[in-house]
Amino acid sequence: GENVEQHPSTLSVQEGDSAVIKCTYSDSASNYFPWYKQELGKRPQLIIDIRSNVGEKKDQRIAVTLNKTAKHFSLHITETQPEDSAVYFCAAPNYGGATNKLIFGTGTLLAVQP
Amino acid sequence: NAGVTQTPKFRVLKTGQSMTLLCAQDMNHEYMYWYRQDPGMGLRLIHYSVGEGTTAKGEVPDGYNVSRLKKQNFLLGLESAAPSQTSVYFCASSYSSNVDTEAFFGQGTRLTVV
Repeated sequence: GENVEQHPSTLSVQEGDSAVIKCTYSDSASNYFPWYKQELGKRPQLIIDIRSNVGEKKDQRIAVTLNKTAKHFSLHITETQPEDSAVYFCAAPNYGGATNKLIFGTGTLLAVQP
Repeated sequence: NAGVTQTPKFRVLKTGQSMTLLCAQDMNHEYMYWYRQDPGMGLRLIHYSVGEGTTAKGEVPDGYNVSRLKKQNFLLGLESAAPSQTSVYFCASSYSSNVDTEAFFGQGTRLTVV
């Protein structure tokens, strides 16, 4: 089955700096890689995703890159702001068994210091 | 349009007691999931359902049962609660039978077993 590893577990940056979170996956058949943001006390929400037919996707200050050969994908946040402080989760599909399911990484707590 | 709603939001149980968590979605989604969130462990899949009347085991199914009698509802049951089941529980749903679509989460249920 799919194994998703996420690093770092905590990340502290100064406001305005960039933040990078990296995930690795094990299933070479995986073709969809979403990122979810969970603010304190709130529910996780999708912020960006990438499919395996592209290497990079951007949405304003956030971007995701994918390296299929190395089986890793990364979330990049530029010009960080205090409201970016949250827990970020990556995920990848598990195609094993009779049905498919999404497997999440262990999360990264991002703290943006003003 | 409420999205995904979980009931209750908070609960304290004594060891050995039973309870049922209710998840309701009004988006006509096929897939529904139950996750538990623990510090440092991320989101771990307990059980999931790919359609009305079907359920399947996730990564950590022991001690839990589920039912999907109606398409819009997914129930998570604890027959004999244990302190190890103290956690925050999230329900989620997604539209497609493919795993590569956005998952919409409920607001979470904080369960404490004493």
